[in-house]
Amino acid sequence: GAGVSQTPSNKVTEKGKYVELRCDPISGHTALYWYRQSLGQGPEFLIYFQGTGAADDSGLPNDRFFAVRPEGSVSTLKIQRTERGDSAVYLCASSSLGETQYFGPGTRLLVL
Amino acid sequence: AQSVTQPDIHITVSEGASLELRCNYSYGATPYLFWYVQSPGQGLQLLLKYFSGDTLVQGIKGFEAEFKRSQSSFNLRKPSVHWSDAAEYFCAVVLYGGSQGNLIFGKGTKLSVKP
Repeated sequence: GAGVSQTPSNKVTEKGKYVELRCDPISGHTALYWYRQSLGQGPEFLIYFQGTGAADDSGLPNDRFFAVRPEGSVSTLKIQRTERGDSAVYLCASSSLGETQYFGPGTRLLVL
Repeated sequence: AQSVTQPDIHITVSEGASLELRCNYSYGATPYLFWYVQSPGQGLQLLLKYFSGDTLVQGIKGFEAEFKRSQSSFNLRKPSVHWSDAAEYFCAVVLYGGSQGNLIFGKGTKLSVKP
């Protein structure tokens, strides 16, 4: 079956611009997670959705970052006023509640 | 705070040699433990996981890991490494309940394989 997909695979933007990153989870998975992986580091948790609601957004670094999942399936991570420090690979994962998380290939974001 | 330590940043082994990647965690109770592998340009793939029961768990691609409560460790092993095993390996823990299951990762160990 289809795995987790993320679009775009690469995104280059200029400092100060707004970007949206999309995640399509595995069909039927109620839980969806966003992580950020900087160069040479392990992924770091950003936000977790259970259904449509953000159950835990404690990992979002500041109020420039926001994520939505309006219908409980596809999720969009939104970054306002991008900064060079936002450059990283953004990973999405989905799971059935309490089960293993399956990861997408990630979106590589480069802020110039 | 909970944390995961992978003390080896980079390991090089010869093809056919055995492999052990170290992982230690810091947490008051026994968390759920995972090993993921990430090949260049690829997403994270689950190798194996430990929730409870037998402390020696078998995974895909011939990998196994042993949970040792007394040492707070969950080391990954493979008896004979193949060139295709060259990748980055991440140990992770998840705490169900209050934190709703977000993974906490170590910084990773990059594995190189010599022919």
